[in-house]
Amino acid sequence: QQQVKQSPQSLIVQKGGISIINCAYENTAFDYFPWYQQFPGKGPALLIAIRPDVSEKKEGRFTISFNKSAKQFSLHIMDSQPGDSATYFCAAAAGAGNMLTFGGGTRLMVKP
Amino acid sequence: KAGVTQTPRYLIKTRGQQVTLSCSPISGHRSVSWYQQTPGQGLQFLFEYFSETQRNKGNFPGRFSGRQFSNSRSEMNVSTLELGDSALYLCASSFLTSNQETQYFGPGTRLLVL
Repeated sequence: QQQVKQSPQSLIVQKGGISIINCAYENTAFDYFPWYQQFPGKGPALLIAIRPDVSEKKEGRFTISFNKSAKQFSLHIMDSQPGDSATYFCAAAAGAGNMLTFGGGTRLMVKP
Repeated sequence: KAGVTQTPRYLIKTRGQQVTLSCSPISGHRSVSWYQQTPGQGLQFLFEYFSETQRNKGNFPGRFSGRQFSNSRSEMNVSTLELGDSALYLCASSFLTSNQETQYFGPGTRLLVL
């Protein structure tokens, strides 16, 4: 059972544009929602994370929007750059420990 | 500070064999988690160890096992390898003991089962 659904699977954006990736979850016990960035040959690296007590969190060009009632959250990358071309994963976790449930991933390509 | 290291980086095995993968967490980190990454199933949680105890376990068969040593280094073992076990195995470590701390991933071990 896929508990975190991510869309789109792939995304092409022009340099300077806004990249938007969406995730939806089913488990209402989830209370931690991180986004990870993965380059080929590397492990995922944490970009930004949010907890359900806030609806938005911004760090530099990266913003998470969170809608608790809709059980959805999204990543916005402003002023997208070719160096942002990577695979992005949303994830969710509940309660104690570090058990992350990942979305299926979005392959982002930013064209110069 | 050195990052999470995983050895070996690449491994080729045949069906029926067993394999042991190693992970050294960031110095001072006490929690180590393992994930399997495949094109078809994506990133899936295997298990988490904290202070040498398994704290969480994912939905994988008993052929997948792990352990953690007193220095927080961890190993995972897969017995009776199947073709479907071909994957990138990622280890992640975190520092604090409370809920959902930032996990730092290693580069992974790519396992190919022939």
